[in-house]
Amino acid sequence: GQSLEQPSEVTAVEGAIVQINCTYQTSGFYGLSWYQQHDGGAPTFLSYNALDGLEETGRFSSFLSRSDSYGYLLLQELQMKDSASYFCAVTGAGSYQLTFGKGTKLSVIP
Amino acid sequence: GAGVSQSPSNKVTEKGKDVELRCDPISGHTALYWYRQSLGQGLEFLIYFQGNSAPDKSGLPSDRFSAERTGGSVSTLTIQRTQQEDSAVYLCASSSRGLPGSYEQYFGPGTRLTVT
Repeated sequence: GQSLEQPSEVTAVEGAIVQINCTYQTSGFYGLSWYQQHDGGAPTFLSYNALDGLEETGRFSSFLSRSDSYGYLLLQELQMKDSASYFCAVTGAGSYQLTFGKGTKLSVIP
Repeated sequence: GAGVSQSPSNKVTEKGKDVELRCDPISGHTALYWYRQSLGQGLEFLIYFQGNSAPDKSGLPSDRFSAERTGGSVSTLTIQRTQQEDSAVYLCASSSRGLPGSYEQYFGPGTRLTVT
């Protein structure tokens, strides 16, 4: 089976940097994805890591350590519009499924 | 269309009734997924379709749930004899990647189902 742990809530100040951690347990591992979901909206894909290291996409970066079964999403220069829920998701080896964490609700305050 | 569409956007039904939820994926996407999201929870995988292959139904919570995909495009999720615990947002996603690690999925806006 697969399970993921991420903090339920995080609050950060506009303009600051925030890191959302995700640890996972899987019977096999293919990659770690991150999705953003605004209240009432659909999840949207942010990033994907299959190999160790940091992937950068604009203000967002994602990191993976396969040996530690750990990853994080880093959001820089926070904006009010970044207030949303962020989900990590894993794909197990040989699997077509994404298994999602329960999500981290990020609140950006002025 | 430009994105994944789902209908209806909201559905209120009485306990014991059957409901059908529709998903129209992005044109050309061969992979289609159904998920369920309860309030404040993550997404729970229900079923996966890839082309003309047999669907992966491993996430369906009971035999009251079924889904089909006609012509490799539109999909319908049917819930028979609905129960209050079926109340949730049902999300459909499609992907152009039918391989393991189908990580980039495009989600529709969802159908909010309320069973009274």
